[in-house]
Amino acid sequence: AQTVTQSQPEMSVQEAETVTLSCTYDTSESDYYLFWYKQPPSRQMILVIRQEAYKQQNATENRFSVNFQKAAKSFSLKISDSQLGDAAMYFCAYRGIQGAQKLVFGQGTRLTINP
Amino acid sequence: GAVVSQHPSWVICKSGTSVKIECRSLDFQATTMFWYRQFPKQSLMLMATSNEGSKATYEQGVEKDKFLINHASLTLSTLTVTSAHPEDSSFYICSAAVNYGYTFGSGTRLTVV
Repeated sequence: AQTVTQSQPEMSVQEAETVTLSCTYDTSESDYYLFWYKQPPSRQMILVIRQEAYKQQNATENRFSVNFQKAAKSFSLKISDSQLGDAAMYFCAYRGIQGAQKLVFGQGTRLTINP
Repeated sequence: GAVVSQHPSWVICKSGTSVKIECRSLDFQATTMFWYRQFPKQSLMLMATSNEGSKATYEQGVEKDKFLINHASLTLSTLTVTSAHPEDSSFYICSAAVNYGYTFGSGTRLTVV
C-alpha cells in the first residue's frame, strides 16, 4: 500500500521569507499524481499544486513550487515570499493511476507565519 | 467551477439519533464521491468511496452499518451516521474527483451529546 510521510508536524517562517515543507512517499507504481493541499482555519481543503509523476519539470503556481525527486520519492513544497494568509495546515497527498482514485494523505504540517 | 456543496456545516444531535450529511456537485457530475473523517489536528482518514448507482466501498475498520452512504444520483451523495454516539463526534468531509485533482466540500462538524 502507498504511504505518505510528512516529517514536520509544525513549521514557522517570517513573513516575506521562504519556507520548504517536506514530503516523502512510498509506492511501487511508476505513474501517479502528487498534490499539496492547504487547509486554513475554515477547514476548507484548497488545492495548492499538483505534479504528474511522468513530468520531469517541477510544477509551479505563482509563489508555490515543488521539488519533485522521483527516484528519492520526495515531493517538497516551497513557499516564497510567505504571506499571513499562507498560515494553514498543509497536506501532501498521493494518487495512483490504477484503481479507485483514492487520495492518500500525509499527516500534515502546520505552518505559522510570523509578522 | 467544480464545486461541491456540503450541508449541514455543523450539527448537534442527541446520542442514539441519526444524522444525514449531504454533498451535492453543483456544476459537474460526480460519479465517485469520497467520504473522510478528520479528528482535531489530524489528517483526513478515508472512510468510504461511493459510486453512483452502486454500493459504497468501505475502508477497513469502518462500520458500514453505522455509516450509511448513498449515491443515488450523479449530483448527490449522502452519509448517514446511524445511532450516533459521542465517539462519532468529528469533522466529516466529502470529495469528488475532477479533471485537475479533487474538489472538497466545506465539511460538517458533528457533535453528539
